[in-house]
Amino acid sequence: GENVEQHPSTLSVQEGDSAVIKCTYSDSASNYFPWYKQELGKRPQLIIDIRSNVGEKKDQRIAVTLNKTAKHFSLHITETQPEDSAVYFCAATSPGVGNTPLVFGKGTRLSVIA
Amino acid sequence: NAGVTQTPKFRVLKTGQSMTLLCAQDMNHEYMYWYRQDPGMGLRLIHYSVGEGTTAKGEVPDGYNVSRLKKQNFLLGLESAAPSQTSVYFCASSPIFSTDTQYFGPGTRLTVL
Repeated sequence: GENVEQHPSTLSVQEGDSAVIKCTYSDSASNYFPWYKQELGKRPQLIIDIRSNVGEKKDQRIAVTLNKTAKHFSLHITETQPEDSAVYFCAATSPGVGNTPLVFGKGTRLSVIA
Repeated sequence: NAGVTQTPKFRVLKTGQSMTLLCAQDMNHEYMYWYRQDPGMGLRLIHYSVGEGTTAKGEVPDGYNVSRLKKQNFLLGLESAAPSQTSVYFCASSPIFSTDTQYFGPGTRLTVL
């Protein structure tokens, strides 16, 4: 089955700097890669996703890139703000016949220092 | 719309006791999921359902049972709780299986003594 590795497990950045979180996946058939943000004591919420027919997707200060050949994808947050402090989870799935549920990485705790 | 709701929010059990966690969604979603979240372990899928009356095992199903008698409800049962089941449990639902936004409930914090 699919296996998703996420790095780093913790990340501290100064306010205004950029943050990058990387994930690798094992199943070359996977073609949907979402990112979820979980603030302290809250539920996970989708912030951005990418499908395998796209190499990059942006939404204001966040972007996700996908390298299908290397089987890895990354979340980029620019001009970080204190409200970006949270745990971020990547995930992957392989849809289609016999499609599989989402498999999540173990999460990255991002701290933005003011 | 309330979205996805879970009851109870907190619960403390003694080893060997049983309980049921209730998840309800009002978005008419076909697919529902139960996850557990442990420190440093991310979100691990316990069981899921692809429609009313159906259930399937996820990554960590042992010690849990589920039922989906109504489309809007997904129940997670612990027949004989163990300390290893101390965790935060999240329910989620989605309109499309896996390749679309999953909407999570607020979570249930369960402690087994």
